[in-house]
Amino acid sequence: SQQGEEDPQALSIQEGENATMNCSYKTSINNLQWYRQNSGRGLVHLILIRSNEREKHSGRLRVTLDTSKKSSSLLITASRAADTASYFCATDAFRRGADGLTFGKGTHLIIQP
Amino acid sequence: DSGVTQTPKHLITATGQRVTLRCSPRSGDLSVYWYQQSLDQGLQFLIQYYNGEERAKGNILERFSAQQFPDLHSELNLSSLELGDSALYFCASSARSGGELFFGEGSRLTVL
Repeated sequence: SQQGEEDPQALSIQEGENATMNCSYKTSINNLQWYRQNSGRGLVHLILIRSNEREKHSGRLRVTLDTSKKSSSLLITASRAADTASYFCATDAFRRGADGLTFGKGTHLIIQP
Repeated sequence: DSGVTQTPKHLITATGQRVTLRCSPRSGDLSVYWYQQSLDQGLQFLIQYYNGEERAKGNILERFSAQQFPDLHSELNLSSLELGDSALYFCASSARSGGELFFGEGSRLTVL
């Protein structure tokens, strides 16, 4: 079963606008990560936020984490056509010995020029 | 370029057949993960190996098996293939537990 669930499933905005994607998860985590996938390609790591952090920035990316609500958001500011991709949140399994990340189904982001 | 190499990139085969997918992790990474991505199931964790030993198991079917060799490359064996096994199969590696994963470009399997 999916641990993380992204919302919305699809998002279409104009170039230059900000894009916000949300992720909810079910169980306790050590960290939460966001990945990007261009169509049919491998996933690329964007940012990792630990469970004791509330906000993290990386370039035009801003990630927040609310462990009390078991949710995270990814904000992409000043979007560009090249940001068109699917975005996934991934959580680690908070149990000893299990390392596999659990991914949501992703948000498909389309940036219109 | 993530440094993770997967072969073959594309594979077309018939139901009932057996295929082997190969993955070479980033230099120095001891952990290898296999994921299956399909439109209906999303990205599913199959199995993880760490330095040659199975570390964690996810939604891997009994018809599927994997191993990691002493040189750290890994192979995913898929047997008695069914139409529903058609998917993108990704390998990823990591340097440390809980850290970021580096994904290969995937092997696209089509079962006819």
